[in-house]
Amino acid sequence: QVQLVESGGGLVKPGGSLRLSCAASGFTFSDYYMGWIRQAPGKGLEWFSYISNSGTIIYYADSVKGRFTISRDNAKNSLHLQMNSLRAEDTAVYYCARGLGGGYCSSTSCYHAFDIWGQGTMVTVSS
Amino acid sequence: QSALTQPASVSGSPGQSITISCTGTSSDVGGYNFVSWYQQHPGKAPKLMIYDVSNRPSGVSNRFSGSKSGNTASLTISGLQADDEADYYCSSYTSSATLDVFGTGTKVTVL
Repeated sequence: QVQLVESGGGLVKPGGSLRLSCAASGFTFSDYYMGWIRQAPGKGLEWFSYISNSGTIIYYADSVKGRFTISRDNAKNSLHLQMNSLRAEDTAVYYCARGLGGGYCSSTSCYHAFDIWGQGTMVTVSS
Repeated sequence: QSALTQPASVSGSPGQSITISCTGTSSDVGGYNFVSWYQQHPGKAPKLMIYDVSNRPSGVSNRFSGSKSGNTASLTISGLQADDEADYYCSSYTSSATLDVFGTGTKVTVL
């Protein structure tokens, strides 16, 4: 069945690094844009990173720009998120998600609805 | 970019209809037909319920419908059921930020 499974979360000290992965199955991964969305404990959702199906188009929210790097390996059906210089405010459940259809991007902004989500992986940044 | 404004809570009895509002500005909700709605049960991942203002993904019940008027988008749940009790989030394209902005979230309670 169509599935996304995240891994790599855990406890890390402020300033530290962590690499998340998302394994896709049940669909042609290379056909889809993908995103990372996070949710701080008891808070709402934040879409913060986005990558095109080929990996050539990448966007970041200002909150993570310069610290996080999204990438994908279409041969291995996997999505990755390298997180550096982590801060307490990065503490959240991190979800990978599949974009439905083509979405929409202007020269500066993007929209995409996400129809398949992983179960999430918890990242805690604390000393 | 501020979050879109949703009511903190909405409640209704089984079988009733409820509507959740999502208010933004002309830079997001009001300016584009790019609004999505997600349902999230406690401890679970969000589920897409509506996209592009009023389209339902395959498999989503037709009890869920979306619309928009001016700077406010709405999600209506008709024939309310116990399993509809969850948090609901809207999201919208915004010209003021790189990626979609989400709403503040609404907790739906089935009485």
